[in-house]
Parts: sequence; C-alpha cells; structure tokens
Amino acid sequence: SYELTQPSSVSVSPGQTANITCSGDELGNKYVYWYQQTPGRSPLVLIYRDNRRPSGIPDRISGANSGNTATLTISGTQSVDEADYYCQAWDSRTVFFGGGTKLTVL
Amino acid sequence: EVQLVQSGAEVKKPGESLKISCQGSGSSFNKYWIAWVRQMPGKGLEWMGIIYPGDSDTEYSPSFQGQVTISVDKSISTTYLQWSSLRASDTAMYYCARLAEYNPSSGGEGFFDYWGQGTLVTVSS
Repeated sequence: SYELTQPSSVSVSPGQTANITCSGDELGNKYVYWYQQTPGRSPLVLIYRDNRRPSGIPDRISGANSGNTATLTISGTQSVDEADYYCQAWDSRTVFFGGGTKLTVL
Repeated sequence: EVQLVQSGAEVKKPGESLKISCQGSGSSFNKYWIAWVRQMPGKGLEWMGIIYPGDSDTEYSPSFQGQVTISVDKSISTTYLQWSSLRASDTAMYYCARLAEYNPSSGGEGFFDYWGQGTLVTVSS
C-alpha cells in the first residue's frame, strides 16, 4: 500500500514562513491535496491539485509538488494557523492520507 | 450552500450493531460521491470508502472492506455507515465528506471539499 510521510511537528515564529512536507514514492506524478484541522473541528481543504486554492483560502497559503515531495507553504504565519495539517493523494483508486503535521506558532 | 449533517454521538458495547448517518442538503447531493473518514483518538485521518448516491455504487478501502457497510437512501439525501458487531477499536470520530472532482472511469483523483461535523462513536464495556 502507498505511504505518505509527514513530519510529526513543525514550529515557526509568528510572521515567518512554515513549510510542511509530504513524501511518497513518485509523488510528483500524482495530485496532492492539503487539509487543515483545528482542535474539535472538521478538516478544511486548503490546496487541491498540488497548488490550487479553493475560494476563501488566502494567497499566503500555497502548495508545490515535484519528485517525491510535496510542500505546503504558509507565509506570514499567524497564531490562527496553529493546527494539524494533512496531505492526501490517490494510488490504485485508494485514498491515502499522510500521518499529519502539528504546526506550532511560537 | 452545501451542508452535511451527521447523526449524534453514540455509546455502544462491544458486539452491538450501529448505523450512523450523514444527510446532505442541496439538489446536487445525488451527483457527488460521499466518503466516510475515520479519525481515532489523537490520530490522523483514514479513508474508509465512498458511495455514489445516484446508483449506490460503492468502493471500499482495503483496510475497511468487510468491516463496515456503506449505504445510501437517495430519496432523503442520506448516506450511512454501519457495523454489525462493534469492537473497542472502532472508538473514533467518523466524518462524512463530499468528494469533488472524482471520476471513477479515469482512475480516481478528487478531494474532500465539504465535511460533516463528525459523529463520535465510543465502544466500551
């Protein structure tokens, strides 16, 4: 079965840029999607098809995908960005999620 | 506005059966696949399967095939997730979610653009 690997945690100072990675075999050949989940809430899609933002998602949030690694970038990080972030991809008609990354804004 | 409203929290004993629901709003409900996603306490997201309300076509994750049943009643825009015999390890939050941009004939792809509020299932003796 396919595996997506994320760092368990990332820390960033307010106003700085946070990069959250997601690794998988030939991931660059697949579309990657990113979700944000704050405590007690349902996930929210931030990025679809590698780098597209749904309406309402600010442009300080961006995505990239190449080789074996996809990256979610949050610029000008704010306290409201403290959350868990999950990447998602498909393989053999099956959905896979990464294990999630807890972003801490120190 | 698209809304997915899930049934309330459940507390069950091991061996009991359970059926939880997810009701969608809007005329487009029958045109999108709906997924079920598990989140065990303190853990990540796990995809369980999807169903197409239009014809009840269902696809399961290999990890959940045979463990649960996904069904739909399109007349009331409601999908269901069902267990015949619960185990303590089924304790989790369960979300339904709408699957956007999914085309099964092209091999998959798609993402979850609307989510229900979640149903907490607790299985304990």
